[in-house]
Amino acid sequence: DADVTQTPRNRITKTGKRIMLECSQTKGHDRMYWYRQDPGLGLRLIYYSFDVKDINKGEISDGYSVSRQAQAKFSLSLESAIPNQTALYFCATSDPGQVKETQYFGPGTRLLVL
Amino acid sequence: GENVEQHPSTLSVQEGDSAVIKCTYSDSASNYFPWYKQELGKRPQLIIDIRSNVGEKKDQRIAVTLNKTAKHFSLHITETQPEDSAVYFCAASGGYQKVTFGTGTKLQVIP
Repeated sequence: DADVTQTPRNRITKTGKRIMLECSQTKGHDRMYWYRQDPGLGLRLIYYSFDVKDINKGEISDGYSVSRQAQAKFSLSLESAIPNQTALYFCATSDPGQVKETQYFGPGTRLLVL
Repeated sequence: GENVEQHPSTLSVQEGDSAVIKCTYSDSASNYFPWYKQELGKRPQLIIDIRSNVGEKKDQRIAVTLNKTAKHFSLHITETQPEDSAVYFCAASGGYQKVTFGTGTKLQVIP
């Protein structure tokens, strides 16, 4: 869905480096999420935000932080990257006003930590 | 919190056969059960969903069933086609609408 974008799409970094993954959306949704996908482990929630002033930890928030700069922007930071943070990261949005809470995913960011 | 288990992790079927993917959830407060399809290299996209006040829902070749008592829900794909090959995720969502995903099923449809 072109309305949810992520940058960068691919990133290689070294252990100990700080990196930021960015997500932008033009859907006007209040709710935004960060997931990581690992083979055999599905989509696991890192952080979520139900509006600009709301930030919540998901099931695997350790080692990550987020910033909700505006309704349309939600960034994920790895303060000191480690190899087991190598994964595919997805941002998603949803609209609580809809009858069904469909999650709209961005294209993903593939991160490799050496 | 909610825990969603999904089986099998991989599934191979001949083209034209049916495929069934099963999920269980733990939180009796969950009331919304979507299914997402992720094609190779693509993002997950919603294909069908069901609410807890409905036992079955169908959309062309795909259907979802829900057993609230047993906390089970399943995805059924009939007359499978090669383009059905993908990873499928079930999910469960409760009153606060934070979604918990299953671990995924990689479906391969063999022509």
